[in-house]
Amino acid sequence: SQQGEEDPQALSIQEGENATMNCSYKTSINNLQWYRQNSGRGLVHLILIRSNEREKHSGRLRVTLDTSKKSSSLLITASRAADTASYFCATDAYGNNRLAFGKGNQVVVIP
Amino acid sequence: DADVTQTPRNRITKTGKRIMLECSQTKGHDRMYWYRQDPGLGLRLIYYSFDVKDINKGEISDGYSVSRQAQAKFSLSLESAIPNQTALYFCATSNTGGSNTGELFFGEGSRLTVL
Repeated sequence: SQQGEEDPQALSIQEGENATMNCSYKTSINNLQWYRQNSGRGLVHLILIRSNEREKHSGRLRVTLDTSKKSSSLLITASRAADTASYFCATDAYGNNRLAFGKGNQVVVIP
Repeated sequence: DADVTQTPRNRITKTGKRIMLECSQTKGHDRMYWYRQDPGLGLRLIYYSFDVKDINKGEISDGYSVSRQAQAKFSLSLESAIPNQTALYFCATSNTGGSNTGELFFGEGSRLTVL
C-alpha cells in the first residue's frame, strides 16, 4: 500500500505567496523526505527529516514532522515561477529499507 | 554527464515484445532501485538491489525482472510487454545507510509505450 498521501493534490498560487503541502503516513518511520519533479523529469531530493526531528529548514523550504499525528508539511515561502512542479513526500518505514512515495502535489506558481 | 543514466529515454513497442531498460551510475552507490510512475498514482517500487548479489522484489514486480550486472549497472526487463506497462520508469540510487534509507538520486526516466 502507498505510504505518504499528500493533500491538497493541486495548488495554484501567485508568485510571492507561500505554498503549503501536507503528507500523512500510516506506519512508524525512520525518516521522511520531500522531492520535486519538474514536468517529465527525474525527481530531485529537497529535504530529509528524521523521526526525532520536528522542524527543518533549507533555503525557502520549511518542513515539519509530527510523528504523533503521522503527518508532515512542506512550506515554500515567497514562491517563484520556477517552483512550478510536482512535490512528493516519501517515507522510510522501519524495517523496510526503501522509500514509499505518495501520489504527489502539483503546484503552479503564476508570475 | 549525468550521475544516473537511463537508456533508452523513449521507447514505443508492441504487445508481446521483450524490452530492456538500462541504468548506469557513476555515484559509486551500492543501492539501486527501479520505480514506475503512472499519472495520479505516484511512484511505485518494482525491484531494488543493495549489492550485486542482492535483488529484492518491490510492490509491483509481477511481469518484470532485473539484473544487477555490476555495482554500477541495474537493468529492468519486461519479458512480454503488455499495454498496462505503459508508464514512465525511473532508476534511482542511494548510498548505504544501514537500516535507514537516505536520499535517492534519480535518472531522467525512460518513457515506455506498449501498443
